[in-house]
Amino acid sequence: DAMVIQNPRYQVTQFGKPVTLSCSQTLNHNVMYWYQQKSSQAPKLLFHYYDKDFNNEADTPDNFQSRRPNTSFCFLDIRSPGLGDAAMYLCATSSGQTYEQYFGPGTRLTVT
Amino acid sequence: AQKITQTQPGMFVQEKEAVTLDCTYDTSDPSYGLFWYKQPSSGEMIFLIYQGSYDQQNATEGRYSLNFQKARKSANLVISASQLGDSAMYFCAMREGQWRSSASKIIFGSGTRLSIRP
Repeated sequence: DAMVIQNPRYQVTQFGKPVTLSCSQTLNHNVMYWYQQKSSQAPKLLFHYYDKDFNNEADTPDNFQSRRPNTSFCFLDIRSPGLGDAAMYLCATSSGQTYEQYFGPGTRLTVT
Repeated sequence: AQKITQTQPGMFVQEKEAVTLDCTYDTSDPSYGLFWYKQPSSGEMIFLIYQGSYDQQNATEGRYSLNFQKARKSANLVISASQLGDSAMYFCAMREGQWRSSASKIIFGSGTRLSIRP
């Protein structure tokens, strides 16, 4: 059974056209994370939520925003995608009580 | 600041042989955790094994074991009896500090691409 679900798996957007990626979880975990992973690179943390407490990484561009309307869902909004934002976007969750992060399958974003 | 280093960008190993993937880390926090993840070509990150800084014994999970050498700040992953399905990207990662709400994040090394030859 899928525990961390990301939709869509592949997303194509135009340069400058806002796009939203979604993540949902069935684990009831407190913490949700968004990572950006460019080709052949390590995942880079963009931000995370502990419940409704939002934590932005210092070097995350303003172009990236996030929303978490409830425990199960978290969204990544890219307000004006540039060519450099093409990447795999990974969502992960954690209970906040243990060390393990559970990752979703990722959304591969293409910017044309 | 915390840092994770993986010095092997790629490795080729014969099927059924054991393989060691290197990982060194740097942190000033006495409390930390070390992870290994596998990422196949499909893109999903798969958790393999975890070692806490205060754990007395090296972690093991099936064919995976973590060779934790605290004084050397190394946390190498050992895969015994490698299989074709082990071909993937492997990331070492670290969580620094006690688990607390505002700092429960993990940083990743640059990864090692492992290829298993039949």
